[in-house]
This record gives sequence, C-alpha cells and structure tokens, in this order.
Amino acid sequence: EAGVAQSPRYKIIEKRQSVAFWCNPISGHATLYWYQQILGQGPKLLIQFQNNGVVDDSQLPKDRFSAERLKGVDSTLKIQPAKLEDSAVYLCASSLSAQETQYFGPGTRLLVL
Amino acid sequence: AQSVAQPEDQVNVAEGNPLTVKCTYSVSGNPYLFWYVQYPNRGLQFLLKYITGDNLVKGSYGFEAEFNKSQTSFHLKKPSALVSDSALYFCAVRLYNQGGKLIFGQGTELSVKP
Repeated sequence: EAGVAQSPRYKIIEKRQSVAFWCNPISGHATLYWYQQILGQGPKLLIQFQNNGVVDDSQLPKDRFSAERLKGVDSTLKIQPAKLEDSAVYLCASSLSAQETQYFGPGTRLLVL
Repeated sequence: AQSVAQPEDQVNVAEGNPLTVKCTYSVSGNPYLFWYVQYPNRGLQFLLKYITGDNLVKGSYGFEAEFNKSQTSFHLKKPSALVSDSALYFCAVRLYNQGGKLIFGQGTELSVKP
C-alpha cells in the first residue's frame, strides 16, 4: 500500500514570497491533516479536513496560510507571504477517519531567508 | 489545556541494554496515547497506541509501552536496544471526543551506542 506522498521535499524562498505544498493521502483515507514542525519541537496541527470540509483550522494563521482539499483527495497548503518564522517541516498525515491512526508523509522542509 | 511532556531531551543507551523513553500527559477526559518515531529527513512512523484495555501495549520493532492512569504516564520501552533504534521519538495524545487532533510532546532523541 502506498504511503502519504508529499512534494516538494525541500524548498528555499525569500521572505515575503509565496510557496505551496502538495499532499496525496493514502487511498481511501477520508481525514487529512497538515502539521507544522519547527526545529526542536513536536508537530503542531495547522488544519484538519474530513473529506473536502474543514474540521479544525483553529491553529492556522489565516492571514498568510491557506489550505484546500477540493475533491476530497489531495490537498495543497499555501503560505503567502512567507515570514522567517515559517521555516519548518510541513507534515501531511491521513487516516481512515478521525478516530483512526494517522500516517505521516515524509514532509516538506521549508527554509525562509 | 491538554499537554504532553517528555522530560528527557536525550536518552543514551548501550546496545543490548533495555531502554525507556518517558512520557507524561495532562488531559481532561479519557486519553488515546501514541508513540511515533522519526528518522532523519523522514516523516513520523507509527509505533503503537493505547486506546483501552490492557495497560501494556505491544507495537512495531519490539517496542512496548505501559499506560499508567494514576501516574498519567505512557513510557516507551524495549528489552534490548539496537543501534538502528537511534532516532527521535514523539509521544502524542488525543481525546476520544475531540476529532483527530494529536498533541505532541517535544520529542526525545534516543542514541544507542555499540
């Protein structure tokens, strides 16, 4: 069974630029999550989707971050404009449902200069 | 507020010796508890979880964890450590009635020396 796919794996941008990350979850998984992992910390949930609807985006900085899962399968996370403090690894995870185990992708490492 | 604490930033163990990585939690309600492992430049890999039932949970790669409700702990253990176990370990908690959101500890780096 294929795991969670993410791209790109690495991205370097200047502050105030925009960037987008893509995630394709495990086939059949209805729930999709985006986490932000800052160096030396545990992952922190940014947004949770159930199919194509948002369940929890309370920790998403909505002035600069946006995410969508239009067809209830893959998802994109966008940052516009980026700040230095956005440098982190962005992890996508998926699960069959919100009550099931989450499986993580390899992450996208973002460096904002 | 719910929180998870991993009191040790780093644990050093000799190969073949038993290992323990500690985790304590603070939640209001019944917790679901998880352990994940992260290798360099890789995502998190699921190791094991406690939902209900037997307090001793067995997981992947010979790892196990013991749920202790009175001490609000969920320590990860392995009887005999391998060099290949060296990685970053995260404990996480989720409330059964609060969707899927995982709250993670800050991580413990495990180093197993030959």
